[in-house]
Amino acid sequence: EAQVTQNPRYLITVTGKKLTVTCSQNMNHEYMSWYRQDPGLGLRQIYYSMNVEVTDKGDVPEGYKVSRKEKRNFPLILESPSPNQTSLYFCASSFRALGGTEAFFGQGTRLTVV
Amino acid sequence: GQQLNQSPQSMFIQEGEDVSMNCTSSSIFNTWLWYKQDPGEGPVLLIALYKAGELTSNGRLTAQFGITRKDSFLNISASIPSDVGIYFCAGYGGGGTSYGKLTFGQGTILTVHP
Repeated sequence: EAQVTQNPRYLITVTGKKLTVTCSQNMNHEYMSWYRQDPGLGLRQIYYSMNVEVTDKGDVPEGYKVSRKEKRNFPLILESPSPNQTSLYFCASSFRALGGTEAFFGQGTRLTVV
Repeated sequence: GQQLNQSPQSMFIQEGEDVSMNCTSSSIFNTWLWYKQDPGEGPVLLIALYKAGELTSNGRLTAQFGITRKDSFLNISASIPSDVGIYFCAGYGGGGTSYGKLTFGQGTILTVHP
């Protein structure tokens, strides 16, 4: 089954404790990206990757890091989480970015930073 | 960065009514996408629009890519209870510094009363 898998689904952590949210897709997609969803703000793009070893900032990259060492994986790293990073996070992938081909979203990760 | 204004923010309608929502942008987009998000799930693509003026249908859903490339609308005809959810518009800049960036509107929360 074609899917985007995020882990964990729920995470509560303390300020400053490094964490990683994993994202994996099994569709051989070139393009992957991370979003955060906050009430009234919709989804805002954090980082995206056009292909292996190619990453770029989205609209809200501050406080986040990503890496794309393999085509299927695109982890989101919070080196020193803060309470304002409490949010619902989504990973997505698509065959390519140009033309906006269908993006498949993961189930989401609800992060709480206390 | 690019911004999308989506309206209305929420709608409460009776089953069987038609629904209309729209998105406007301060800048041009090359692709418009419409997504639906069910509670606890990631967004799912409903309709993709690739050309200015394009009108596309998917069952009871119809969406149009505005000729100015700065707006798009989504219509849902004869609404049913399972149409409940959050609807998002999204746009790809497609070129220059916007290549690879996907910008989302704030979302329209749709409630359908039986």
